[in-house]
Amino acid sequence: RKEVEQDPGPFNVPEGATVAFNCTYSNSASQSFFWYRQDCRKEPKLLMSVYSSGNEDGRFTAQLNRASQYISLLIRDSKLSDSATYLCVVNQASGTYKYIFGTGTRLKVLA
Amino acid sequence: NAGVTQTPKFRVLKTGQSMTLLCAQDMNHEYMYWYRQDPGMGLRLIHYSVGEGTTAKGEVPDGYNVSRLKKQNFLLGLESAAPSQTSVYFCAEGQGGTDTQYFGPGTRLTVL
Repeated sequence: RKEVEQDPGPFNVPEGATVAFNCTYSNSASQSFFWYRQDCRKEPKLLMSVYSSGNEDGRFTAQLNRASQYISLLIRDSKLSDSATYLCVVNQASGTYKYIFGTGTRLKVLA
Repeated sequence: NAGVTQTPKFRVLKTGQSMTLLCAQDMNHEYMYWYRQDPGMGLRLIHYSVGEGTTAKGEVPDGYNVSRLKKQNFLLGLESAAPSQTSVYFCAEGQGGTDTQYFGPGTRLTVL
């Protein structure tokens, strides 16, 4: 089983739609969680950190479920500019650091 | 404030050639990392550094060496390039621990 798993997609959604991605992780000792966005042929950029209480940034909402070991990202009112690959990242730091990246979920927002 | 810069942006090597990739950061952060990204695979850590003068192996260190002689620079060397090292290489930096990482624009390397 991969340490961090994501559905690769692609998710093709119309503008204005709500779309959700899930990411599962295998190590229950994981301590911090992030969503990164990566545009084609560009570097990953931090979208948001994921906190136990859940957090929201504009149209984006991230949730963490430690019991089931998954994190989610919800995008409301999708824009064309949201088209990208979304990477789930899990930090297993516990004395030593270890970031594990998912392979990413591709989103295409259609006009 | 440029964040993280990488040179070169593109490079084509022949098998057996050597090269060095340079990463520079102006955030004065302690931690720096080298990753490679291949199709269908997540970013994989090659080597990392927790401060000037220190380096450590990541998940896929074979065939690479690194040096961190100055805090702001992290160099990745390929001693004898192989086609399996064709990839996109990203440098990242951060404050370590559970902190986020910030990535450079990447170097696209092709080994023929």
